Amino acid sequence: DQQVKQNSPSLSVQEGRISILNCDYTNSMFDYFLWYKKYPAEGPTFLISISSIKDKNEDGRFTVFLNKSAKHLSLHIVPSQPGDSAVYFCAARSGGGADGLTFGKGTHLIIQP
Amino acid sequence: EAGVAQSPRYKIIEKRQSVAFWCNPISGHATLYWYQQILGQGPKLLIQFQNNGVVDDSQLPKDRFSAERLKGVDSTLKIQPAKLEDSAVYLCASSFGGLLNTEAFFGQGTRLTVV
Repeated sequence: DQQVKQNSPSLSVQEGRISILNCDYTNSMFDYFLWYKKYPAEGPTFLISISSIKDKNEDGRFTVFLNKSAKHLSLHIVPSQPGDSAVYFCAARSGGGADGLTFGKGTHLIIQP
Repeated sequence: EAGVAQSPRYKIIEKRQSVAFWCNPISGHATLYWYQQILGQGPKLLIQFQNNGVVDDSQLPKDRFSAERLKGVDSTLKIQPAKLEDSAVYLCASSFGGLLNTEAFFGQGTRLTVV
């Protein structure tokens, strides 16, 4: 049973436009959410995070929105740049000491020139 | 700041053989994780250490997988005997841990192919 779902395997966006990546979760115990970016042959790199007590967190071109009632979060990238082409993973953790991440399957973002 | 170091980068073995992976976390990081990423999937947590103690190994196939972090720094993950379905990238990650919600930093991973 997938607790973190990214239903779009891939997304193509024109350079300069907004990229919106979506993520849904089912576990109500998740209290912290993260987005990771992954290039081929590299490990995932942390991008941005949000605590469940917030509904928005912004860092430069990246904004994450959290809708707890819908169990949904999204990552907005504005404006999209060619270097943003990568696989983006949504991840979540429960509170407490066992805080290993539960990942979605990822969305491959392709920025078209 | 040096990142999480993993070796080897690639490994090819025959089924039923054994294999070991090594990880050196970021200095000062008390928490260390091993993840398995099968092609087309997101990483799946295998085991989490806090210093040299196991916090969570609920998803570790203990009949064939083992991991240790004896001195609370480096860690090794072993598979014995390997099966075809163990073909995956094995990622090590580390974080400060504790009560603060800090992100985990990942190594480049070890790509294992079992033939």
